[in-house]
Amino acid sequence: DQQVKQNSPSLSVQEGRISILNCDYTNSMFDYFLWYKKYPAEGPTFLISISSIKDKNEDGRFTVFLNKSAKHLSLHIVPSQPGDSAVYFCAASDYGGSQGNLIFGKGTKLSVKP
Amino acid sequence: DSGVTQTPKHLITATGQRVTLRCSPRSGDLSVYWYQQSLDQGLQFLIQYYNGEERAKGNILERFSAQQFPDLHSELNLSSLELGDSALYFCASSPDGAPGKLFFGSGTQLSVL
Repeated sequence: DQQVKQNSPSLSVQEGRISILNCDYTNSMFDYFLWYKKYPAEGPTFLISISSIKDKNEDGRFTVFLNKSAKHLSLHIVPSQPGDSAVYFCAASDYGGSQGNLIFGKGTKLSVKP
Repeated sequence: DSGVTQTPKHLITATGQRVTLRCSPRSGDLSVYWYQQSLDQGLQFLIQYYNGEERAKGNILERFSAQQFPDLHSELNLSSLELGDSALYFCASSPDGAPGKLFFGSGTQLSVL
């Protein structure tokens, strides 16, 4: 029973365009959401997070949107760059994130073509 | 470089064997987490330690155990290994006051033959 779902295993976009990665969750108790990026042969690295009291958080080219009623969040990357090519994991927590036992999705592989 | 060190990077062993994976957290981080990533699964949370004490447990098999030592390094012990235990095992650490922000090591790739 997957509590965090990333339904698109892969996504390909052109350099300079917008990348939109989607994530759905089922547990209404989740109150903190994060995105991690992973390059081959490396561990995941934290990208951006959002608390359930907000519906948007922005950090440079990266913006995360949260729609609690739809139990959906998305990551927007504008403009996309070839260096953004990686696997992106959505993660959620139901302890305010304090315990760190995040529930991860299976990831979406983003390819940004020059 | 995340500052989290995992050894070894690769481990090949046979079914029924026992292995130990080692993790050194970032300097100053008291929390250590272990995650498993299988081919068809996302990152599965196994267990968390905080300053030597077990804090949270996830989908960790009874054949697996972990501990965190006084110097804060951690070890994950996997015993009676099965083919299905082949996976990438990640260790992560986090500072206090940074909810959900984990720093991951580069992982140990375990192959059980």
